[in-house]
Amino acid sequence: DVKVTQSSRYLVKRTGEKVFLECVQDMDHENMFWYRQDPGLGLRLIYFSYDVKMKEKGDIPEGYSVSREKKERFSLILESASTNQTSMYLCASSLETDRAEQYFGPGTRLTVT
Amino acid sequence: DQQVKQNSPSLSVQEGRISILNCDYTNSMFDYFLWYKKYPAEGPTFLISISSIKDKNEDGRFTVFLNKSAKHLSLHIVPSQPGDSAVYFCAARLTDSWGKLQFGAGTQVVVTP
Repeated sequence: DVKVTQSSRYLVKRTGEKVFLECVQDMDHENMFWYRQDPGLGLRLIYFSYDVKMKEKGDIPEGYSVSREKKERFSLILESASTNQTSMYLCASSLETDRAEQYFGPGTRLTVT
Repeated sequence: DQQVKQNSPSLSVQEGRISILNCDYTNSMFDYFLWYKKYPAEGPTFLISISSIKDKNEDGRFTVFLNKSAKHLSLHIVPSQPGDSAVYFCAARLTDSWGKLQFGAGTQVVVTP
């Protein structure tokens, strides 16, 4: 079974803090993704990576950056957290094949106060 | 601009009956469609998918129908069970996009005894 783990289930940070969210997958997947989920908006793609050190902006990259130094690990960074970044953050990974399934981690509920 | 739309935020169905979830899309370049199920405080889990060259895919109690001319897909769950109570997301993949998915806003399904 594919396993995607995220470093924290719940986080509370203050406005202006730098926040690191870590994601690790154990199935040698090429692609990794960061989403945020907000009520009524579904999942929105923040950034994705299709290879080590390669990254592409998703639909809502503003205020975020990412890092992928190793194939299994994809980090999301909030350079200066703001209250509008309070959300559920979901990491996913997938193989580079014709099948499109992404496998998700359990999510990190981030609250910025 | 939301390219994948789930217009019903919620659905209530009696145990044993059929649940029908609907999804509309606007982009003709989507080549793969997926349904995910999400319980609270967990990541989404993949349910079933369909290629744009097919019009039906079945897996146990779950069947997905694709109507390309109407840009519409639906998920049928028969029979519905209490464990099916969850949020269901429709997702679509753009051709040649490194596996990026566009998600709908989700439909909350409640299965009542």
